[in-house]
Amino acid sequence: AQKITQTQPGMFVQEKEAVTLDCTYDTSDQSYGLFWYKQPSSGEMIFLIYQGSYDEQNATEGRYSLNFQKARKSANLVISASQLGDSAMYFCAMREGLSGSARQLTFGSGTQLTVLP
Amino acid sequence: DSGVTQTPKHLITATGQRVTLRCSPRSGDLSVYWYQQSLDQGLQFLIQYYNGEERAKGNILERFSAQQFPDLHSELNLSSLELGDSALYFCASSVALRTSGGQETQYFGPGTRLLVL
Repeated sequence: AQKITQTQPGMFVQEKEAVTLDCTYDTSDQSYGLFWYKQPSSGEMIFLIYQGSYDEQNATEGRYSLNFQKARKSANLVISASQLGDSAMYFCAMREGLSGSARQLTFGSGTQLTVLP
Repeated sequence: DSGVTQTPKHLITATGQRVTLRCSPRSGDLSVYWYQQSLDQGLQFLIQYYNGEERAKGNILERFSAQQFPDLHSELNLSSLELGDSALYFCASSVALRTSGGQETQYFGPGTRLLVL
């Protein structure tokens, strides 16, 4: 079974509008972390935002916020006031367990966001 | 700039050859991770090192090996290369295994784009 599911292969949004990128996850761990990364066409992976499973409030970082619904196992990324530079591939990722030595990330398949002028 | 460096940026080689990819983590980071990004497999975790020791293994082929040196830089060795090994190889680093709180963000290098002809 997929641990991270991103159901939107591609999304379009008008400049200055808000957009939500969906992410659902599957884990039996009580402790886990959820991350969003941005990959522009140049290829680098840029960290955007983090949400811990025990965090009571939704994470926010500037124009990025994470809509965390633990019972539904979803961690959607909300980008407000979209800019042309937001056009990129966006990946949701999970790290299971907060103790122990295994720290690898499991990634979803990504959502290609295109911001239209 | 994430602070993680990877060399070379591009690599073109032939089937059956061996290559070495190099990564220098951010200053102070003890953990290094290697990921492979390909069109058919997406982003996959390969292997993790912490302070010179292997800590976790993912979908890493037996033809691939890695190590982390005393100065904490890491190398990923790919041998008997096949066409299907063509991919973008990322190195990421994070602070340490044991941190207070849950967030241990992995910062990615720019990647090495490998093309096997």
